[in-house]
Amino acid sequence: GQQVMQIPQYQHVQEGEDFTTYCNSSTTLSNIQWYKQRPGGHPVFLIQLVKSGEVKKQKRLTFQFGEAKKNSSLHITATQTTDVGTYFCAGWTGANSKLTFGKGITLSVRP
Amino acid sequence: NAGVTQTPKFRILKIGQSMTLQCTQDMNHNYMYWYRQDPGMGLKLIYYSVGAGITDKGEVPNGYNVSRSTTEDFPLRLELAAPSQTSVYFCASSYSAGVTEQFFGPGTRLTVL
Repeated sequence: GQQVMQIPQYQHVQEGEDFTTYCNSSTTLSNIQWYKQRPGGHPVFLIQLVKSGEVKKQKRLTFQFGEAKKNSSLHITATQTTDVGTYFCAGWTGANSKLTFGKGITLSVRP
Repeated sequence: NAGVTQTPKFRILKIGQSMTLQCTQDMNHNYMYWYRQDPGMGLKLIYYSVGAGITDKGEVPNGYNVSRSTTEDFPLRLELAAPSQTSVYFCASSYSAGVTEQFFGPGTRLTVL
């Protein structure tokens, strides 16, 4: 079945450092979504990418969809303690009613 | 709008007991989902529904049952609780499948002892 992979599962950075994480799908996607879950909270939608090569920015966060629509990246510039949490990518192939979530990457930021 | 609400927030069950996790959304979404989240394991889909009266199995349906009699409600039933069902359960809803965001409820933290 379809798989969405996020490696590594944990990353620790010093406040102010940049952070990049990647998401890879075993199949071509129609779109990809990113969610953030704060410690003890629930996943909250951040953004959706649809077009091949698409880049979207939200303040210090930059999201990119790969040209082949099989991978995506999230880049955070100058991390802050408010960036702490788990970031999930979720892909949709268009073939069914389900999003396939990656296992997420948990980011910790040292002040 | 309250969005997606879940009750209870916390529950401790004994092995073999049963319970129903409630989920309600007030956004008139057709699509609803139940996930479980174990530490470091991401979100696993248990069951989903594409509209009232229509449900289907996800990745890990064993030990659970669902029903969808109304657009708003999507309860998850645990029969004969087992320690392996200790997890955090999230309900989510969306306007359409895959092309719109999923809205998650606050979760139910379940412990089976």
